[in-house]
Amino acid sequence: GAVVSQHPSWVICKSGTSVKIECRSLDFQATTMFWYRQFPKQSLMLMATSNEGSKATYEQGVEKDKFLINHASLTLSTLTVTSAHPEDSSFYICSATGALPGNEKLFFGSGTQLSVL
Amino acid sequence: RKEVEQDPGPFNVPEGATVAFNCTYSNSASQSFFWYRQDCRKEPKLLMSVYSSGNEDGRFTAQLNRASQYISLLIRDSKLSDSATYLCVVWDKAAGNKLTFGGGTRVLVKP
Repeated sequence: GAVVSQHPSWVICKSGTSVKIECRSLDFQATTMFWYRQFPKQSLMLMATSNEGSKATYEQGVEKDKFLINHASLTLSTLTVTSAHPEDSSFYICSATGALPGNEKLFFGSGTQLSVL
Repeated sequence: RKEVEQDPGPFNVPEGATVAFNCTYSNSASQSFFWYRQDCRKEPKLLMSVYSSGNEDGRFTAQLNRASQYISLLIRDSKLSDSATYLCVVWDKAAGNKLTFGGGTRVLVKP
């Protein structure tokens, strides 16, 4: 079945640095990718939706200049946390959906645990 | 009111028992509904889609009640391995592919 690969699985960085997280669809064209954040003991919160070749649509309260999303191809989307701070420490996870008729499934990456010191 | 609401639980369930819980949604035009299972610090995994006529997959039964705007999940003969958080997901493709997760219902199956 379709697989979404997310890297890195975990990252520790110093406050003020930027972190890039990659999400790749391995055997299907991901027309839409979603980025979520999950704090401990909370549910996934949608951060943004990105369609290939267009700007991402951010949810209310999510700073687009801080969380840069690029979806330049049908198989790759990236999330860059710019100038990360300890409060950005969280579990980030991507998901993707393809344009296969009748196959409207959502596939998740394995997530990235970000710890900002 | 949240768009998608779930009882956070935890539901403490004796092994072998039946447990059921609901998820309410606010947008009456929502089209697609899913139940996902998430283990701690792992990605959610699709458990089952929810169809208007209701559907069953082994010990799991999902129902959709459009009139009252809720979906339900029932787990029969609970196993220890069923312990997880169950996420209700509403997917509005017509609304720009908007995907909304419920807060999750935690289920703990005990021996």
